[in-house]
This record gives sequence, structure tokens and C-alpha cells, in this order.
Amino acid sequence: GQQVMQIPQYQHVQEGEDFTTYCNSSTTLSNIQWYKQRPGGHPVFLIQLVKSGEVKKQKRLTFQFGEAKKNSSLHITATQTTDVGTYFCAGRGGGSQGNLIFGKGTKLSVKP
Amino acid sequence: KAGVTQTPRYLIKTRGQQVTLSCSPISGHRSVSWYQQTPGQGLQFLFEYFSETQRNKGNFPGRFSGRQFSNSRSEMNVSTLELGDSALYLCASSLYSYYGYTFGSGTRLTVV
Repeated sequence: GQQVMQIPQYQHVQEGEDFTTYCNSSTTLSNIQWYKQRPGGHPVFLIQLVKSGEVKKQKRLTFQFGEAKKNSSLHITATQTTDVGTYFCAGRGGGSQGNLIFGKGTKLSVKP
Repeated sequence: KAGVTQTPRYLIKTRGQQVTLSCSPISGHRSVSWYQQTPGQGLQFLFEYFSETQRNKGNFPGRFSGRQFSNSRSEMNVSTLELGDSALYLCASSLYSYYGYTFGSGTRLTVV
């Protein structure tokens, strides 16, 4: 079945350093979504990418969708303590009505 | 507007019992999905409903079932509880299944 792998599992950075998490799917995706879950909280939707090669930015966050629509990345520039949490990618295969499968997430900690 | 509401927030059950969890989506949202979150397995897809129809189902045993009512509210039921069913159960709603999800705060189920 469809699998979504995410690396790294953990990332510890000094405040001000950059951070990147990568997501790879075993199958071609119709779209990919990114979520952030703060400690003790629930996942919060960040963005959805649909087009091959798409790049979207939200302030210090840059999201990319690969040309083959099988991989994606999230890059945070100059991390802040407020960026702490677990970042999940979630891929939807099988067309727009396929299951949304989550990666296991990258847990980011930021040292002030 | 009100977010996704899940009840109860916490639940302790004994092995062999059954449990019903409830989810009220954001008003107007017709798609409701359920996920099980555990530290080891991450977010695992249970099922997705759209306009009272189960659209997709994850790889969980038949003890896990769900339904959606005409007002889009959803319930999931787990029968013959096992210790391994202890988890955070998250409900998420969206206007359409291919949009980003809004998650509820979850129901923390502990099976003893």
C-alpha cells in the first residue's frame, strides 16, 4: 500500500539556524499537505501543494513539491523557539479521493 | 466559527469493553476523517466519511467501525478493546476531502 516516509525523525537546532524536513512517497501523489503539531496539541494544517514542481512560501517557511510528485520538503529559515513542534507531511494518492496518509513526522526542538 | 469538537476528551476503559467516540465537524464541512495517533506508529488513517458514506478505510481490524449522520456529525466505535488500542483518536473535517483538514483536540483513550 501507499507509504509516506519522512526524515529526519528528530532535529535539534540552535535558534537562528535553518531546518529542513523531507518527505518521500512510494507512489505518485495527487497532492501533499503539511501540518504542524505543537507539544500536547493537535495537528494544524499549514499548506497544500498540488502541482508538479510547486513552491510555496509562508514567511520563513518554504514548501516544495517534487517534479515527479513523489517527494516534498519543508524548509524553515532562521528558526525561532515558536517553531518547536512536530511537522508532518501527508500525501494523498489514488486521485483526489484517495486516503490521506501521514508521514511519521519530524520533531523539531530549538535551543534559544 | 466553532472548531472540530470531540467528546469525550479522556476515557479509561477495561479490556474487552467497547467504546464510542463522537466528533462534530465545523459547520458546513461534509468530510470527516478519523486517525489513531500513537508515539510508535504516528498518525494512522482509520476511515473517511463524506455525506454519510464511508469513502475510504484504513488497515484496521473490523473491531473499528464508524458512521456519519445527516448533520455530518460522526462517531467511531471500537469493540472488544485491547491494550494496544490505547491512543489519541483524532477527528478531522474539511469542506471537501481534498482540502486541508481541521483537526479536533482528540479523545485520549486508555485501555487497562
